[in-house]
Amino acid sequence: ETVMTQSPASLSVSPGERATLSCRASESVNSNLAWYQQRPGQAPRLLIYGASSRATGVPARFSGSGSGTEFTLTISSLQSEDFAVYYCQQYIDWPPITFGQGTRLEIK
Amino acid sequence: QVQLVESGGGVVQPGRSLRLSCAASGFTFSSYGMHWVRQAPGKGLEWVAVISFDGSHEYYADSVKGRFSISRDSSRNTLFLQMNSLRPDDTAVYYCAKEVGDWYFDLWGRGTLVTVSS
Repeated sequence: ETVMTQSPASLSVSPGERATLSCRASESVNSNLAWYQQRPGQAPRLLIYGASSRATGVPARFSGSGSGTEFTLTISSLQSEDFAVYYCQQYIDWPPITFGQGTRLEIK
Repeated sequence: QVQLVESGGGVVQPGRSLRLSCAASGFTFSSYGMHWVRQAPGKGLEWVAVISFDGSHEYYADSVKGRFSISRDSSRNTLFLQMNSLRPDDTAVYYCAKEVGDWYFDLWGRGTLVTVSS
C-alpha cells in the first residue's frame, strides 16, 4: 500500500498571499496524483489530476507540480473561499487507492 | 443535472446491517466505475470499495472486506453498499464517487451519515 503524507498539517496564510502544500508518496506514483478541496460540511471537489492538470472550472490560481514521490499544490493569491482542507490521492497502486491525511488551510 | 445523491444512512447498533444507495443522474452511469469513500467525524478520507462500470469486478479496503458488498443496478442508475456486521469504527459520512477512468473522482455526492452505536 502506498502511503501518502501531507505537510504541513495546517497552514495559516493571509488573503492575497500564496500557499504551498506538499504531498509525499512512500513509493513512486509517477504522475498519478490528484488534489481535492473540501470545505466544511461539503463533499470533496476535484482540483488537480495527473499531478498538474486542472479540473474543469478550477481557477487558474490553483496549480499542481511534481512527479514520482514529491508533489506540490500551489494556490496563488488566496481568496476567502480557498480556506479549506486539501487532500492528495494516488491512483496508480490499487487497491487500495490512498489519500493523504489532509492539510487545513486557515486564514491568518 | 449531473449529480449523485446518497441515502440510507442512520443510527444502527453494532453487529447490525445497513444498506446505502446512491442515485446517479445527468451522465451515462453504466459507463463508469463507481466508488464508496468514507470520512469518520473530524478525520480524513478513506477509500472503501469500487465496482467496475459493468459490475464484473469489485475491490474492497481490508477494513471492510468480508463485511461490506458493493453492487449496482444500471437500469435504475443506482449504486449500493450493503454493510453487515457493523462496528463503531464504521461510523462515518459515506460518499459515493464517480471515477474518470483512472481511479480519481470528478463527481461526489453530498454523503450520508452512518452512526454505529449501542
